[in-house]
Amino acid sequence: EAQVTQNPRYLITVTGKKLTVTCSQNMNHEYMSWYRQDPGLGLRQIYYSMNVEVTDKGDVPEGYKVSRKEKRNFPLILESPSPNQTSLYFCASSLLIRGIEETQYFGPGTRLLVL
Amino acid sequence: KQEVTQIPAALSVPEGENLVLNCSFTDSAIYNLQWFRQDPGKGLTSLLLIQSSQREQTSGRLNASLDKSSGRSTLYIAASQPGDSATYLCAGGSEKLVFGKGTKLTVNP
Repeated sequence: EAQVTQNPRYLITVTGKKLTVTCSQNMNHEYMSWYRQDPGLGLRQIYYSMNVEVTDKGDVPEGYKVSRKEKRNFPLILESPSPNQTSLYFCASSLLIRGIEETQYFGPGTRLLVL
Repeated sequence: KQEVTQIPAALSVPEGENLVLNCSFTDSAIYNLQWFRQDPGKGLTSLLLIQSSQREQTSGRLNASLDKSSGRSTLYIAASQPGDSATYLCAGGSEKLVFGKGTKLTVNP
């Protein structure tokens, strides 16, 4: 089954404790991205990647890191989480056709609470 | 900078009604326009994608149109059902996707 998986689905942590949210897709998509969703603010892009070893900042990259060492995986790293990073996080992937993203497939989401 | 707006923020209709959800965008140089559905606490599911060269796409009871010149897209849902209740988001962009904040649809039995 074609899908985007994220782990963990739910996470409660404390300020400053490094964490990683994993994202994996099995559709051989070139493009992957991370979003956060907050009430009243909608979906905002954190980072995206056009291919292996190619990553770029989205609209709200501060406090986050990503890596793309393999085509299927795109982990999101919070080196020192803070309470304002409490949010619902989504990973997404899509094909690129002539450099343009096609239909985006979303993971189920990771709900993060930073105390 | 692309801005995507969806009005209304919430809509409640009786079952069986045909309805239209609206999406407007400020930059007409979009590559494509996508409509998604999000159920509470769940991820987004792609419904329809309209390429910039197309004017509409259809899937079952759903029909999405795109008018780049006016900066508008609509999602038409025919014969609405309670199972259509969800938040519907549109997204468009030229360099990257920009999402609207969504319209929360409730279809009452």
